[in-house]
Amino acid sequence: GDSVTQMEGPVTLSEEAFLTINCTYTATGYPSLFWYVQYPGEGLQLLLKATKADDKGSNKGFEATYRKETTSFHLEKGSVQVSDSAVYFCALSDPLSGGSYIPTFGRGTSLIVHP
Amino acid sequence: DAEITQSPRHKITETGRQVTLACHQTWNHNNMFWYRQDLGHGLRLIHYSYGVQDTNKGEVSDGYSVSRSNTEDLPLTLESAASSQTSVYFCASSEDQGNQETQYFGPGTRLLVL
Repeated sequence: GDSVTQMEGPVTLSEEAFLTINCTYTATGYPSLFWYVQYPGEGLQLLLKATKADDKGSNKGFEATYRKETTSFHLEKGSVQVSDSAVYFCALSDPLSGGSYIPTFGRGTSLIVHP
Repeated sequence: DAEITQSPRHKITETGRQVTLACHQTWNHNNMFWYRQDLGHGLRLIHYSYGVQDTNKGEVSDGYSVSRSNTEDLPLTLESAASSQTSVYFCASSEDQGNQETQYFGPGTRLLVL
């Protein structure tokens, strides 16, 4: 079946540091890929997505590129802020997953940014 | 603005009691989902619905039920609460966009079963 693997957290950084959160996937079909963010005490919200190979999703300074050859969708940000402290979830939606389009989520990576 | 709300936000109950968690969305989405979030397990799908009168089991549906009588609401019922059901519960909705669908999540309900 489909799966998403994210790096273990927490990731702890100082403000203005460069961020990378790794995400790799396995899928039966040609999936769409997503990053969701969960701020403390809130539900998940879409951060960015990409629907085909070499697409780059971007939002709020975050970027991720759909790499089909390496089955990866790593999240990056050039300069993190304290307000970026949250849990980040990588997810995929596979058109061959029984036709349901229910996303498969990774386990989440906690990011802590210190001033 | 369209939104998805959950109530209550916090609930304490006792083992064996029936509990219902409410989910209401004003997006007019056909698809609605219930997840639970636990440390070490991430998000796990409990039940989902693709429209009125449609309900389907997810990977952890035992002990839970849902009903869909209108587009806006998908209440989640714990038939007989167990301590293992202590968790944070999230409702989500999405519109029909195939595998490009974005899920919109509610703020969550934190449930403690004593």
